[in-house]
Amino acid sequence: DAKTTQPTSMDCAEGRAANLPCNHSTISGNEYVYWYRQIHSQGPQYIIHGLKNNETNEMASLIITEDRKSSTLILPHATLRDTAVYYCIVRENFGNEKLTFGTGTRLTIIP
Amino acid sequence: NAGVTQTPKFQVLKTGQSMTLQCAQDMNHEYMSWYRQDPGMGLRLIHYSVGAGITDQGEVPNGYNVSRSTTEDFPLRLLSAAPSQTSVYFCASSYQYSSNQPQHFGDGTRLSIL
Repeated sequence: DAKTTQPTSMDCAEGRAANLPCNHSTISGNEYVYWYRQIHSQGPQYIIHGLKNNETNEMASLIITEDRKSSTLILPHATLRDTAVYYCIVRENFGNEKLTFGTGTRLTIIP
Repeated sequence: NAGVTQTPKFQVLKTGQSMTLQCAQDMNHEYMSWYRQDPGMGLRLIHYSVGAGITDQGEVPNGYNVSRSTTEDFPLRLLSAAPSQTSVYFCASSYQYSSNQPQHFGDGTRLSIL
């Protein structure tokens, strides 16, 4: 699996959009970008994933650059409950379910 | 629909004791896995199973055994607990191996080895 690089921590004001970047410059053509988050003392929670097109669901949007070397997770209207560690993961779609978690980005939503 | 259920939530053991961490899912998922999470680190894969009767090692399997006799259950066994196994353990499942489906995680078992 490709290695990802994320900032260690970020702050965002409540009600504003939180934009979390991720670099995955060695991503290969069959690797998807996944985002999970972990709220304190809970298990990781799936947020969204994509291959090359931008994706949106009820939780967030995922913007993947055209060269697929980086992506941004967008929480459109951050709330205090979005305070968590966010993990960006890339993995192959076939033949490998392993999720390689790095240290993620600690996002703090400021009231 | 309970999702992924882990028991116990907390456990304290003495060095050398054995125990089994339970994991059950009610989503008919084929793939199940165990991770451990240590302070300041990401999750590391211990063992995984692609279906009943099939298990394989992850990146940190030493000191742990698993079995998968049913689709629903995937217990993790510590045969002789060591202080280095103090950690938070997470079980996860997904619909099928090699599917483009997200993994669902339980809320973890916090294990301390004295």
